[in-house]
Amino acid sequence: DQQVKQNSPSLSVQEGRISILNCDYTNSMFDYFLWYKKYPAEGPTFLISISSIKDKNEDGRFTVFLNKSAKHLSLHIVPSQPGDSAVYFCAASPRNTGNQFYFGTGTSLTVIP
Amino acid sequence: EAGVVQSPRYKIIEKKQPVAFWCNPISGHNTLYWYRQNLGQGPELLIRYENEEAVDDSQLPKDRFSAERLKGVDSTLKIQPAELGDSAVYLCASSFSGEQFFGPGTRLTVL
Repeated sequence: DQQVKQNSPSLSVQEGRISILNCDYTNSMFDYFLWYKKYPAEGPTFLISISSIKDKNEDGRFTVFLNKSAKHLSLHIVPSQPGDSAVYFCAASPRNTGNQFYFGTGTSLTVIP
Repeated sequence: EAGVVQSPRYKIIEKKQPVAFWCNPISGHNTLYWYRQNLGQGPELLIRYENEEAVDDSQLPKDRFSAERLKGVDSTLKIQPAELGDSAVYLCASSFSGEQFFGPGTRLTVL
């Protein structure tokens, strides 16, 4: 039972353009959402997060949007750079459960120079 | 500050053999996680510790997997005996509050 879904296994974008990675979730109890970035042979590294009390959080080139009614969040990277090429995982945590996280299956982003 | 340390980075064993993974979390992080990541999948939680207490081990196959976190710091994950289907990357992560910090993982290959 996959509670966090990333339906696009891969995405290719030209350098300088916008990358949009999508994530859907099914559990209405989720109230904290995170994006992680993973390079080959390394562990995931935290990128950006958003709480359910917000609908947008921005950090430099990275912006996460949350649509609670649609149970959907997205990560926008603009402008995309070749160094952004990695696998991106969406994760979600339900309220009142402390530090429990559920991960999506990942989207492999390739930024073409 | 050192990140989450895991060893070994790679391990190749034959099926039915035992194997153990070690994790040293970031200093001061009271929550420690073990995840398994299969190819093309996201990390799946095996066990979560709050200090030395295992608070969520519902996904840990207890017939062959065991874990411990003595003194609430380092942790060891063991598989005995290993099966072909255990081939995966085993990730350790730690957190204080909010986001988790992951180690580089141990890639296990069971032949």
